[in-house]
Amino acid sequence: ELKVEQNPLFLSMQEGKNYTIYCNYSTTSDRLYWYRQDPGKSLESLFVLLSNGAVKQEGRLMASLDTKARLSTLHITAAVHDLSATYFCAVDMSRSGGSNYKLTFGKGTLLTVNP
Amino acid sequence: NAGVTQTPKFRILKIGQSMTLQCAQDMNHNYMYWYRQDPGMGLKLIYYSVGAGITDKGEVPNGYNVSRSTTEDFPLRLELAAPSQTSVYFCATSSWTSGYTFGSGTRLTVV
Repeated sequence: ELKVEQNPLFLSMQEGKNYTIYCNYSTTSDRLYWYRQDPGKSLESLFVLLSNGAVKQEGRLMASLDTKARLSTLHITAAVHDLSATYFCAVDMSRSGGSNYKLTFGKGTLLTVNP
Repeated sequence: NAGVTQTPKFRILKIGQSMTLQCAQDMNHNYMYWYRQDPGMGLKLIYYSVGAGITDKGEVPNGYNVSRSTTEDFPLRLELAAPSQTSVYFCATSSWTSGYTFGSGTRLTVV
């Protein structure tokens, strides 16, 4: 059974600071996703990481994937209040041949950025 | 292009009542999913479908049923609602090229 662990689960940051959220998973996977969720809202896709060494950046967020270590990171640079949200990583248990299967989610990291 | 549409958005049920959560997609995706989200627990898979007529259990299927008679629709049925089913329910679709698309969610309270 695939297990996805995120840490920390709660993160309180000051504006302007940097921090990293970690996502470990237990078995081989083809794809790793990062999502953002605002209170009362649905999930917003941030990044899809497809291969070992993949790095993607959007604004103050950068995600990376190490498939050998089964580890993904979401790095926050110079945090601003608008980044306050819950961030989820999710791992796709894909079959060979490129067929999607299903997502297994971490518990999420509640990020609060304080002025 | 609506994507994934869930109805209703909110519902309050009494213990023992039944209801169906509706999910419709216009993306022509074969894969569809139902997840539930409880506070601090992430999303857990209830049921999924790989195409019309084919469904399978996820991690937390007890107390729920699904059917998939068309590509577009994937309703989730709650029989004999219990307080433990109070949650936010998300429907999603996926394809290899476009990834996962989530609906806006249904917030269900069982009292």
